[in-house]
Amino acid sequence: EAQVTQNPRYLITVTGKKLTVTCSQNMNHEYMSWYRQDPGLGLRQIYYSMNVEVTDKGDVPEGYKVSRKEKRNFPLILESPSPNQTSLYFCASSLSALNTEAFFGQGTRLTVV
Amino acid sequence: AQSVAQPEDQVNVAEGNPLTVKCTYSVSGNPYLFWYVQYPNRGLQFLLKYITGDNLVKGSYGFEAEFNKSQTSFHLKKPSALVSDSALYFCAVCFISNSGYALNFGKGTSLLVTP
Repeated sequence: EAQVTQNPRYLITVTGKKLTVTCSQNMNHEYMSWYRQDPGLGLRQIYYSMNVEVTDKGDVPEGYKVSRKEKRNFPLILESPSPNQTSLYFCASSLSALNTEAFFGQGTRLTVV
Repeated sequence: AQSVAQPEDQVNVAEGNPLTVKCTYSVSGNPYLFWYVQYPNRGLQFLLKYITGDNLVKGSYGFEAEFNKSQTSFHLKKPSALVSDSALYFCAVCFISNSGYALNFGKGTSLLVTP
């Protein structure tokens, strides 16, 4: 089954404690991206990657890092989480960036206290 | 800036009635427009897209959208709403930015279909 898998689904952590949210896709997609969803703000892109070892900032990259060492994986790293990073996070992948539909993971609800 | 706007936070419609969820876009050049749906506790699911060609695009679950260049709109429609259509709907535009590609979403419209 074609899917994008995020882990964990739920996470509560403390300010400053480094964490990683994993994302993996099994569709051999080149394009992957991370979004955060906040009430009243819709989805905002954090980072994206057009291929292995190619990553770039989206609209709200501050406080986040990503890596793309393999085509299937695109982890999101919060080196020093802060309460304003409490949000619902989605990973997505697509065959290409411009005109193909994106497949989304089920989301990771992160709470930073 | 390349963007989409969804002017309604919520749309209420009775089951069996037609529904419309509005989206307007601001894009230079040819727009690549999408609609996604999000059910509770789930990720977004693709509904349909407009790239080029016929202005009326048909998608999943009986939904369709009409691309209107003169009004810069891409409204989502369904002739007869179902209670199971109740969800959060997002319009999105994909474009080439200075640093690559970007997919910008609207803020979402909550659709409530009542029996």
